[in-house]
Amino acid sequence: TQLLEQSPQFLSIQEGENLTVYCNSSSVFSSLQWYRQEPGEGPVLLVTVVTGGEVKKLKRLTFQFGDARKDSSLHITAAQPGDTGLYLCAGVAGGTSYGKLTFGQGTILTVHP
Amino acid sequence: ETGVTQTPRHLVMGMTNKKSLKCEQHLGHNAMYWYKQSAKKPLELMFVYNFKEQTENNSVPSRFSPECPNSSHLFLHLHTLQPEDSALYLCASSQATGTSGGARDTQYFGPGTRLTVL
Repeated sequence: TQLLEQSPQFLSIQEGENLTVYCNSSSVFSSLQWYRQEPGEGPVLLVTVVTGGEVKKLKRLTFQFGDARKDSSLHITAAQPGDTGLYLCAGVAGGTSYGKLTFGQGTILTVHP
Repeated sequence: ETGVTQTPRHLVMGMTNKKSLKCEQHLGHNAMYWYKQSAKKPLELMFVYNFKEQTENNSVPSRFSPECPNSSHLFLHLHTLQPEDSALYLCASSQATGTSGGARDTQYFGPGTRLTVL
């Protein structure tokens, strides 16, 4: 069974601060996805990283896939209250045809004005 | 309607009731999924259907019975549930075009059904 350890579980910060969320596993994934989920809604995909060492940027969000494709991080620069939500990482197992995802426990981020 | 829709959004049922959750996707996707999201556990995959065929049953108890009559509709039939089955049940769909597309396959989630079992 593949497991993804996501940390921290809770983050409460002030507007303007930077933060990093980590996702670690002992298993290799063919890709790693990051989702954001708001209350009363389903998760929405933010990014997919596929290549070991890959770095992707989405405005103030930077996503990195580890060289060995076992870990990933999400860094948010100058956090804003609108970034508040549940952030989930999910690994896609190698060789899967139908996108079987293994999710981390999630990080609940609260950004205070 | 667009995207993935789920009904009902909230459901309260007793342990002896039978109810069904419905999911519909308007994205032309081939694969559909049921997930369970509990407060203290990671999001868990329950079932996968691809082209109406069940391709994954993640050791789900038989009191949960999925049905996929076509690629656009997915049901989850519930009977004799336990209080610990209370959770948010999420449906998702994806294109799932084969092994080469697996790594980049994007799943689109519905808003979920918040289920409470009394």
